[in-house]
Amino acid sequence: DAMVIQNPRYQVTQFGKPVTLSCSQTLNHNVMYWYQQKSSQAPKLLFHYYDKDFNNEADTPDNFQSRRPNTSFCFLDIRSPGLGDAAMYLCATSRDAASNEKLFFGSGTQLSVL
Amino acid sequence: AQSVAQPEDQVNVAEGNPLTVKCTYSVSGNPYLFWYVQYPNRGLQFLLKYITGDNLVKGSYGFEAEFNKSQTSFHLKKPSALVSDSALYFCAVRDLNTGGFKTIFGAGTRLFVKA
Repeated sequence: DAMVIQNPRYQVTQFGKPVTLSCSQTLNHNVMYWYQQKSSQAPKLLFHYYDKDFNNEADTPDNFQSRRPNTSFCFLDIRSPGLGDAAMYLCATSRDAASNEKLFFGSGTQLSVL
Repeated sequence: AQSVAQPEDQVNVAEGNPLTVKCTYSVSGNPYLFWYVQYPNRGLQFLLKYITGDNLVKGSYGFEAEFNKSQTSFHLKKPSALVSDSALYFCAVRDLNTGGFKTIFGAGTRLFVKA
């Protein structure tokens, strides 16, 4: 019954080597989000897609990009990972943009940078 | 600016005892408040939310939360804690200044329930 699926669960990359994390959803939700979470801290929103409209948070580094080729899939691309980018990356969805909508999270991808 | 604060990094409680995880908020306008739980190496799971109406909100796994407007609080409660409730709990608010897309999370409170 997995609804928001993230692959892989664990990803190891090398310093400066591009990496892509993937997320898929079976909920047919309009909004998809990417959060970064470090060491059990509060998740930090990187960006979101409302349908095909991309919205970047002001403090998200240029090193982070995203693609949403269709409703079901969303990708997080880190062009040149640094040691500080090691974190848990969480994908989430919501049905629409209404403020009372809850978020559905995937299990996350734990990224290590060597 | 919208924000939530969780004043306790950690809460310890014995199994069978009531538990409270505290949250205070600061918002302009009506607050849309949420609680999420995170088990080790997992994503966050929705527990409950307050949008409007009854101040006592019931959610998943026997949890409830009380919205108190005068104290700007939204504390999470459970009458009888289980060892399996041990997890990281996040209070959150939707940031209406960004059209509601952005959910702002508190720093989290780690709950330990001892058998």
